[in-house]
Amino acid sequence: DQQVKQNSPSLSVQEGRISILNCDYTNSMFDYFLWYKKYPAEGPTFLISISSIKDKNEDGRFTVFLNKSAKHLSLHIVPSQPGDSAVYFCAANGNRYGNKLVFGAGTILRVKS
Amino acid sequence: DTEVTQTPKHLVMGMTNKKSLKCEQHMGHRAMYWYKQKAKKPPELMFVYSYEKLSINESVPSRFSPECPNSSLLNLHLHALQPEDSALYLCASSQDRGRYGYTFGSGTRLTVV
Repeated sequence: DQQVKQNSPSLSVQEGRISILNCDYTNSMFDYFLWYKKYPAEGPTFLISISSIKDKNEDGRFTVFLNKSAKHLSLHIVPSQPGDSAVYFCAANGNRYGNKLVFGAGTILRVKS
Repeated sequence: DTEVTQTPKHLVMGMTNKKSLKCEQHMGHRAMYWYKQKAKKPPELMFVYSYEKLSINESVPSRFSPECPNSSLLNLHLHALQPEDSALYLCASSQDRGRYGYTFGSGTRLTVV
């Protein structure tokens, strides 16, 4: 039972353009969402997060949008840079889940120069 | 110090061996985690320690045995593993209940032969 889904296994974008990574969740108890970035042979690193009381959070080139009614969130990277090429994981947490983060399967982003 | 340090980075072990993975953090985080990640899959939670006590065991086989000697250290003892246990083992830590995400280590790449 995949509670957090990233339906696009990979995405290829030209340098300077916008990258949009999508994530859907099924559990309405989730109320906090995070994006992690992972390079090969490294652990995931935290990128940006959003609480369910907001619909947008911005940090530099990265913006996360949350649509609670659709149980959908997206990560926008503008402008995309070759160094952004990595695997991006969406994760979710909820008050009843305690310490447990639930991860999506990840999307491989390739930014071409 | 804002890092989670894992050793060793790579480990090859036979099915009859006993080995241990180590994890250390000095951020004052009171929750520590073991995750397992197979290729092209999301990280899967194995164990959570909160205030040095095991709080979550995700039905992990007993050939994996976690230990938290103190608030900065987390070990994962391995015994009689199977080839299908080969994976990237990630340690993470968080403040309190990890509500706002974790800090991950770079992982131990384990190969069971």
